[in-house]
Amino acid sequence: NAGVTQTPKFQVLKTGQSMTLQCAQDMNHEYMSWYRQDPGMGLRLIHYSVGAGITDQGEVPNGYNVSRSTTEDFPLRLLSAAPSQTSVYFCASSYISTGYEVAEAFFGQGTRLTVV
Amino acid sequence: LAKTTQPISMDSYEGQEVNITCSHNNIATNDYITWYQQFPSQGPRFIIQGYKTKVTNEVASLFIPADRKSSTLSLPRVSLSDTAVYYCLVGGYRDDKIIFGKGTRLHILP
Repeated sequence: NAGVTQTPKFQVLKTGQSMTLQCAQDMNHEYMSWYRQDPGMGLRLIHYSVGAGITDQGEVPNGYNVSRSTTEDFPLRLLSAAPSQTSVYFCASSYISTGYEVAEAFFGQGTRLTVV
Repeated sequence: LAKTTQPISMDSYEGQEVNITCSHNNIATNDYITWYQQFPSQGPRFIIQGYKTKVTNEVASLFIPADRKSSTLSLPRVSLSDTAVYYCLVGGYRDDKIIFGKGTRLHILP
């Protein structure tokens, strides 16, 4: 199993450009999410999905779009990149627990995005 | 979602036991306590999870007092490779949003 795969690993964009960060998982997890991490900071939730066709906003959704057409893929789209979106982006997936415990989240290696 | 408070940073020496305490005063009855570890330039990794008393695995121990308003992650005999950021999360399975705080930056010195 590859786990959670993010592409690309590095990307430089010009202000105003758009792009899609790819995230794929091969664990058949229902739950997928995107986080951004700024230097020296914790992770902030951008968007998440509890299954194909279902997405919702996290803490910092502005400037980002997501869709979930399959269980495996959860792409993150930057519509018009801004320097404030310079960050490291992490995708995560987990199953949805049927008990009271919280399912372990598996993270990708991250995409380092610079907007100039 | 219960808010958590943990120290911003800690230093320790190789071979020492490190305890990182997390405060979560408004934890709900069904909430679990979960800890993640993040090495530089990597995504977070699940370490341990517990509900009450003590949980131990090959990496760490988690101590939760009876009132569950705090928890302590214990790392035995740390090495330089334990230098990382440690996040405490509190939530239940009904919480769709998995929220990370700023974490505790642990620096192990030789």
